[in-house]
Amino acid sequence: AQRVTQPEKLLSVFKGAPVELKCNYSYSGSPELFWYVQYSRQRLQLLLRHISRESIKGFTADLNKGETSFHLKKPFAQEEDSAMYYCALLNYGGSQGNLIFGKGTKLSVKP
Amino acid sequence: GAGVSQSPSNKVTEKGKDVELRCDPISGHTALYWYRQRLGQGLEFLIYFQGNSAPDKSGLPSDRFSAERTGESVSTLTIQRTQQEDSAVYLCASSLVTGFGTANEQFFGPGTRLTVL
Repeated sequence: AQRVTQPEKLLSVFKGAPVELKCNYSYSGSPELFWYVQYSRQRLQLLLRHISRESIKGFTADLNKGETSFHLKKPFAQEEDSAMYYCALLNYGGSQGNLIFGKGTKLSVKP
Repeated sequence: GAGVSQSPSNKVTEKGKDVELRCDPISGHTALYWYRQRLGQGLEFLIYFQGNSAPDKSGLPSDRFSAERTGESVSTLTIQRTQQEDSAVYLCASSLVTGFGTANEQFFGPGTRLTVL
């Protein structure tokens, strides 16, 4: 079955430090993967997707098929990056519409 | 334009009562999704509508849960005979299209927080 695992519930770093939020998935084919972010008192929103190969707000994520990982990275964390981050995998079964989410990682960036 | 809206924002009900949650998707979006998030858990898929196709109900946890959508507009999620384990935030999302590609970005509503006493 398809699954997304985010091993860290909470990640705390100091401002200016590098940050890496881990995401592993289980799917044998070519996945379509996303990172969603939810800032305090805001709705869940798309941060980036691997097929776009873009950097958003300084974040990047590289798909590693060998390790079945899609870790989110930023070289210098900012306080405004504090939020809940969810990794998600497009469901390839059924009607191929919904996303399969990890349980999320809460990132706290301290001043 | 306006994003996805949901109502009510909060709902407190007694065990055994029925509740209806409403979602207004972004105009023109053909796909609509319902998810729920229980405390400390990730988002759990419930049901998905795509245009006039039969909905994908594979995520509904029991037959107490049902949902309808009128054309490509409003959707209602109904929970009958609510139980305490139904307490969660219910999120609605819509997307322009479904499947693969950059047009499948899901836009989320603010959610409805349901508390069953």
